[in-house]
Amino acid sequence: ELKVEQNPLFLSMQEGKNYTIYCNYSTTSDRLYWYRQDPGKSLESLFVLLSNGAVKQEGRLMASLDTKARLSTLHITAAVHDLSATYFCAAFSSGGGADGLTFGKGTHLIIQP
Amino acid sequence: DSGVTQTPKHLITATGQRVTLRCSPRSGDLSVYWYQQSLDQGLQFLIQYYNGEERAKGNILERFSAQQFPDLHSELNLSSLELGDSALYFCASSIGQQSSEAFFGQGTRLTVV
Repeated sequence: ELKVEQNPLFLSMQEGKNYTIYCNYSTTSDRLYWYRQDPGKSLESLFVLLSNGAVKQEGRLMASLDTKARLSTLHITAAVHDLSATYFCAAFSSGGGADGLTFGKGTHLIIQP
Repeated sequence: DSGVTQTPKHLITATGQRVTLRCSPRSGDLSVYWYQQSLDQGLQFLIQYYNGEERAKGNILERFSAQQFPDLHSELNLSSLELGDSALYFCASSIGQQSSEAFFGQGTRLTVV
């Protein structure tokens, strides 16, 4: 059974600082997704990482995937208040009667001025 | 706007009742996924349909069922509702059978009283 663990689960940081959110998954999965969720809102797709060594960047966010270590990271550079949200990683599991995304518990990120 | 439409946005009902949640996928998407989000369980994959056929099952209770119609919209039926079924139910859609990139609807917030 695929398990996905994120850490930290809660992060409060100041504007202008850098930080990394970590996402570990338990079994082989070569697809890793990052989503953002604002309070009471839907999930917005940020990144889809499809291969080992994949790195994607959008603005102040950069995501990477190491399939050998079963680890993905979401790095925030020079954080701004607008990035405050909950960030989820999700890994794709196939077979065993359950195809779908397995989500981590999410990282609640607060960026303070 | 992801292009995935869910109705209703909010639903309040009593224990023991039955409700139907509706989802219209993005134009061109053949896969529909249902997820449940609650504070204690996080985001849980429930079920997937592809082009009208059930593709995969996750943590879906026997009291819950779903279907996808010829026009590709999907309905999630929840019966014999319990207080613990109160949650945010998301529908997502993607082009293919296996999750390439899934786009989420705004969700239906179900409150069972």
